[in-house]
Amino acid sequence: AQRVTQPEKLLSVFKGAPVELKCNYSYSGSPELFWYVQYSRQRLQLLLRHISRESIKGFTADLNKGETSFHLKKPFAQEEDSAMYYCALSGHSGNTPLVFGKGTRLSVIA
Amino acid sequence: DAGVIQSPRHEVTEMGQEVTLRCKPISGHNSLFWYRQTMMRGLELLIYFNNNVPIDDSGMPEDRFSAKMPNASFSTLKIQPSEPRDSAVYFCASGLSFGGNSPLHFGNGTRLTVT
Repeated sequence: AQRVTQPEKLLSVFKGAPVELKCNYSYSGSPELFWYVQYSRQRLQLLLRHISRESIKGFTADLNKGETSFHLKKPFAQEEDSAMYYCALSGHSGNTPLVFGKGTRLSVIA
Repeated sequence: DAGVIQSPRHEVTEMGQEVTLRCKPISGHNSLFWYRQTMMRGLELLIYFNNNVPIDDSGMPEDRFSAKMPNASFSTLKIQPSEPRDSAVYFCASGLSFGGNSPLHFGNGTRLTVT
C-alpha cells in the first residue's frame, strides 16, 4: 500500500532561516515523489518532482530510498514561502494516482 | 485557459439535504479526480475517472457519496443525504493521464458546511 507521512502539521521559521519539511513514504516498489504547494487564496499546484532534479523557488528535494524520505529544503526562508505543502507519491510506472500526505503548513516569520 | 472550474465555491446546507458539487476539467485532460481535504485527514482521494470511466471509487467513504462524469467536460460529486461530518473542502483536479507522472491541475475547491 502507498502511504505518505508528513509528521509536522505546522512549521514556523524566521525569515532567512533554513527550512526542511519532512516527508516519509511507504511503497513496495520504486516510487515517484512530488511536492505540491497551496499559497493563500491560490490553487494547489505542483512545486517539484524528484525525477526532474530541479530547484524551484529555491526549494530542492532529494529522494533517499534508504530512509524512504523526500524532504523539502530551502537554505533561506522568505515570507512568500508561507503556504501549505503536500508531499505526494505515485507508483514508478506512473499508472497509479497520487496519494498525498496530510500536509505541513509553513509559516515564515519576519 | 481558465483551469479547472468548480462550483459552487461555498455550500452551506442542513443535514439530510442533497448536495451536488460540479467540476469542469481542463479541455484535453483525460483524467479527473475528486479529493476531500480536512484538517484531520489531509487530502483524500475519493474517486478518479479516465476517459469519463470511473477507475477506482474505493476512496468514497459511504454509499451516500456518488460521482458521475457524463462527458469529457463535466463531472459531479453528489452526497445524499448529507451529514455534518461531510463538512470539508472538496477539490476536483484533472490531468493528461491518471498516473502520477502527469501533473495534476486543481480547481479552487468547494467548501461544504453541513449543519
